[in-house]
Amino acid sequence: DAKTTQPPSMDCAEGRAANLPCNHSTISGNEYVYWYRQIHSQGPQYIIHGLKNNETNEMASLIITEDRKSSTLILPHATLRDTAVYYCIVRAPYNFNKFYFGSGTKLNVKP
Amino acid sequence: DAGVTQSPTHLIKTRGQQVTLRCSPKSGHDTVSWYQQALGQGPQFIFQYYEEEERQRGNFPDRFSGHQFPNYSSELNVNALLLGDSALYLCASSPPGLAVGTSYEQYFGPGTRLTVT
Repeated sequence: DAKTTQPPSMDCAEGRAANLPCNHSTISGNEYVYWYRQIHSQGPQYIIHGLKNNETNEMASLIITEDRKSSTLILPHATLRDTAVYYCIVRAPYNFNKFYFGSGTKLNVKP
Repeated sequence: DAGVTQSPTHLIKTRGQQVTLRCSPKSGHDTVSWYQQALGQGPQFIFQYYEEEERQRGNFPDRFSGHQFPNYSSELNVNALLLGDSALYLCASSPPGLAVGTSYEQYFGPGTRLTVT
């Protein structure tokens, strides 16, 4: 299964865009990239997912490079409530939604 | 519409004891997965239940077992508890019609915090 690499922590000023990078250089052609976040001691929350095209929803945008070896999650206007650990996950093929979580990136949004 | 619910919220057990955790999936979902999350780490996949059978299993010993009921709810059982079993146990559910290669997100419950002393 493809592994992901994320920086352990990042800071972002409130109101500014938060850009969270993820490296998944061994991703296979049929594997999706998912992003989840986990606010302290709560269950992970789904944010967005994509295969090869850029995606946008009410929470965030997902930019996947053309070679699909990396991606960036963008929170356009970060708020204090966006402070959380963000996980980039590559869904294992033929594994029926078994997700491999890494260590994630702790995003600290500061006033 | 209730999301994924788990019980109990917190639990304290003694080493060597057995514990049962419970999960009710989101309405309309038929697949339940269990994860263990140690402090400061990401969730680790334990196993997944579909049609009342274990379909996938992670790298966990046989002390960890589960069950899925006809109403799709699920239990996680851990026997002979060790101090290292202290963790947040998360349940996640997925909708039906799951097919290989498609992209269904999982919905997670709030978790059960298990402390083994």
